[in-house]
Amino acid sequence: LAKTTQPISMDSYEGQEVNITCSHNNIATNDYITWYQQFPSQGPRFIIQGYKTKVTNEVASLFIPADRKSSTLSLPRVSLSDTAVYYCLVGVHGSSNTGKLIFGQGTTLQVKP
Amino acid sequence: EAGVTQFPSHSVIEKGQTVTLRCDPISGHDNLYWYRRVMGKEIKFLLHFVKESKQDESGMPNNRFLAERTGGTYSTLKVQPAELEDSGVYFCASSQKMNTEAFFGQGTRLTVV
Repeated sequence: LAKTTQPISMDSYEGQEVNITCSHNNIATNDYITWYQQFPSQGPRFIIQGYKTKVTNEVASLFIPADRKSSTLSLPRVSLSDTAVYYCLVGVHGSSNTGKLIFGQGTTLQVKP
Repeated sequence: EAGVTQFPSHSVIEKGQTVTLRCDPISGHDNLYWYRRVMGKEIKFLLHFVKESKQDESGMPNNRFLAERTGGTYSTLKVQPAELEDSGVYFCASSQKMNTEAFFGQGTRLTVV
């Protein structure tokens, strides 16, 4: 499973767009990229998954360049309730033959009023 | 639809005692996972059940931890005897298929004193 690197923390203000970039230089051909969100005192929650180019759902967008060595989670117009830890995971879901999730430190996003 | 539920939400026990954590996965989910986060560390995988069988128990720290899933429904994780370093938050997750979105419970906060 590919190792990921992402910023430990980020600050933003309400109404701004937030982009969190994750590096995964050793991503394998069949690996998908998945992001989870975790609020304090709760378990992680799946938010988005992609393989290449762009994926968008009601919560976020995921941008993946052609070389797939990085990905960017984009949160449009954040609110205070988006304050959470965001985890980038590679090599699980979609194509892998394991359900095991390997969490890194994640990025702690603090949204300020 | 009910989500993944864990019981108890909090537990405080003395070193040397036994504690049993319970997880009820989403109905119909064959895959059940246990994870934990100890203080200041990342969320770590413990083990994975497919129905009642242990698919992967590579993350179990030692033989003081025993996980069961009799009948392939709910699961229990017993710690006996508990040590101080076992303190942390224990998460359970379930998924329909092995490599699809995992749904997490709220976690059980275990404190060993």
